[in-house]
Amino acid sequence: NAGVTQTPKFQVLKTGQSMTLQCAQDMNHEYMSWYRQDPGMGLRLIHYSVGAGITDQGEVPNGYNVSRSTTEDFPLRLLSAAPSQTSVYFCASSDRIPYEQYFGPGTRLTVT
Amino acid sequence: AQSVTQLDSQVPVFEEAPVELRCNYSSSVSVYLFWYVQYPNQGLQLLLKYLSGSTLVESINGFEAEFNKSQTSFHLRKPSVHISDTAEYFCAVSGAGSYQLTFGKGTKLSVIP
Repeated sequence: NAGVTQTPKFQVLKTGQSMTLQCAQDMNHEYMSWYRQDPGMGLRLIHYSVGAGITDQGEVPNGYNVSRSTTEDFPLRLLSAAPSQTSVYFCASSDRIPYEQYFGPGTRLTVT
Repeated sequence: AQSVTQLDSQVPVFEEAPVELRCNYSSSVSVYLFWYVQYPNQGLQLLLKYLSGSTLVESINGFEAEFNKSQTSFHLRKPSVHISDTAEYFCAVSGAGSYQLTFGKGTKLSVIP
């Protein structure tokens, strides 16, 4: 099993550009989530999904969109990048809350 | 809604000394509690969890944590740390019936040779 994979590993965007961060898991997990990690802030939940076709907002959803068309994939879209979105983004999956979440390796995004 | 407070942002400790990383939570419902570890430039890995039953939970690499409901705490301890324990540690809480996992801000453990 590859577990949770994320692409790209690094990305630099200009303000106003859009892009999609990819996340995939091969463990048939129903629950997937996106977090952003900023120094001194811990991890903050952006969006999550409890199954294909079902998504909901977390703590910091503004500026991000998600969709879940398959169990395996959960892409995160930045609609119009802003410097405040410079962060490390982690995708995670689990059978369901509250069980163990498996994290991907992260995407380091810089917005200039 | 739930929240987590990790009382120390950085903890330096000498090798083979004991360490305690503190975590307090608040929640209006019963909770599930977790400690995750993040090694440099990596994602997070589950270290240990409390779901129910015994309030003392242990990891395979010598860490333990005790759920204290009256003090709303879930402190992480290790009697003797190694250089390889240098990492950032995150306490997390999920309320019963919630789909959300709330993380603390993290504690950076530095083990000094």
